[in-house]
Amino acid sequence: GENVEQHPSTLSVQEGDSAVIKCTYSDSASNYFPWYKQELGKRPQLIIDIRSNVGEKKDQRIAVTLNKTAKHFSLHITETQPEDSAVYFCAASRITGGGNKLTFGTGTQLKVEL
Amino acid sequence: DVKVTQSSRYLVKRTGEKVFLECVQDMDHENMFWYRQDPGLGLRLIYFSYDVKMKEKGDIPEGYSVSREKKERFSLILESASTNQTSMYLCASSYGTSGPKFNEQFFGPGTRLTVL
Repeated sequence: GENVEQHPSTLSVQEGDSAVIKCTYSDSASNYFPWYKQELGKRPQLIIDIRSNVGEKKDQRIAVTLNKTAKHFSLHITETQPEDSAVYFCAASRITGGGNKLTFGTGTQLKVEL
Repeated sequence: DVKVTQSSRYLVKRTGEKVFLECVQDMDHENMFWYRQDPGLGLRLIYFSYDVKMKEKGDIPEGYSVSREKKERFSLILESASTNQTSMYLCASSYGTSGPKFNEQFFGPGTRLTVL
């Protein structure tokens, strides 16, 4: 089955700096890669996703890049703000007719310091 | 707005008890999932369901079973609770195979289960 590795497990940045979280996956058939954000005490929520036919996707201060050859994808947050502090999870999935089973990474605790 | 609810936020049970965790979604989603979340291990899939009365094992199904008698409700059952099942349990749901953002999973608030 799919295996997703995520690094680093913790990341501390100064407000205004950029943050990068990296994930690798094992199943070359995976074609959908979402990122979820979980604030303290809250439920995970989707913040951005990318499909394998796209190399990069941006949404305001966040972007995701995908390298299919190397089987890795990354989340980039620019101009970090205190409200970006949270746990971020990457995931991988092979979209089939039956729906989407996600395999998650182990999470990155991002702390944005003032 | 999509709403996914879980029957309890906190639950304390004793070893050997049978435990039921309930999840309900109100958006007519086809897919429903049960995860457990443990520090350093991320979200691990226990079971999922693509349709009523249908279930498939996830990555860590041992010690658990599920039931989906109605489309909106997905139950997780611990047949005989053990201390290593102490964890946060998260339910999620998503649309079927079509529609905008059909892959997005919407999570419930979680149930913190402690087995003594």
